[in-house]
Amino acid sequence: DADVTQTPRNRITKTGKRIMLECSQTKGHDRMYWYRQDPGLGLRLIYYSFDVKDINKGEISDGYSVSRQAQAKFSLSLESAIPNQTALYFCATSGRQGPNTGELFFGEGSRLTVL
Amino acid sequence: SQQGEEDPQALSIQEGENATMNCSYKTSINNLQWYRQNSGRGLVHLILIRSNEREKHSGRLRVTLDTSKKSSSLLITASRAADTASYFCATDEAGGYQKVTFGIGTKLQVIP
Repeated sequence: DADVTQTPRNRITKTGKRIMLECSQTKGHDRMYWYRQDPGLGLRLIYYSFDVKDINKGEISDGYSVSRQAQAKFSLSLESAIPNQTALYFCATSGRQGPNTGELFFGEGSRLTVL
Repeated sequence: SQQGEEDPQALSIQEGENATMNCSYKTSINNLQWYRQNSGRGLVHLILIRSNEREKHSGRLRVTLDTSKKSSSLLITASRAADTASYFCATDEAGGYQKVTFGIGTKLQVIP
């Protein structure tokens, strides 16, 4: 089984719908991240969390919200989806490199299409 | 805006040649990491270099870091067709934020 599991892997939805992307991990890591990937723009950080009570905005948090339900679960919500949120979304986890962030482990991605 | 920027954005070489990719970043960092992504898949970690290190090796990979120039390079020696992928640098920003941000990537094609 994968260490970082994202569901759904693919979703097509309509403008205005609420969408939740879920991420669970078995790595035992405290740190979890949500990124979106668009062609030519690389990965951009949406939200990140260092534990259940510590959630931080990334570069592009507008239009998104997150919930850290448990150490192992971090979900991303689009309250009212719009077409420019069509992208490939990645969840990642990391442990520590001393006091700093260590290697990130990625899920296989959730491809979201908003019509 | 994004922290890292890779150069070149695309690179095509023959099998057996070396591939060099560069990354520039904007703020002070705790460490810098390189990742590989096969088309549409999740990213896979290649190597991490700390801010107090200047060079690191792992198999056919060599990474350098110049914090005075805020830049890093990834060298893949004796490239193989299987090295065809996109490569990203990622920085763990210093100053208490500890968010990990990525560049836009270099798309490497290794021609057999």
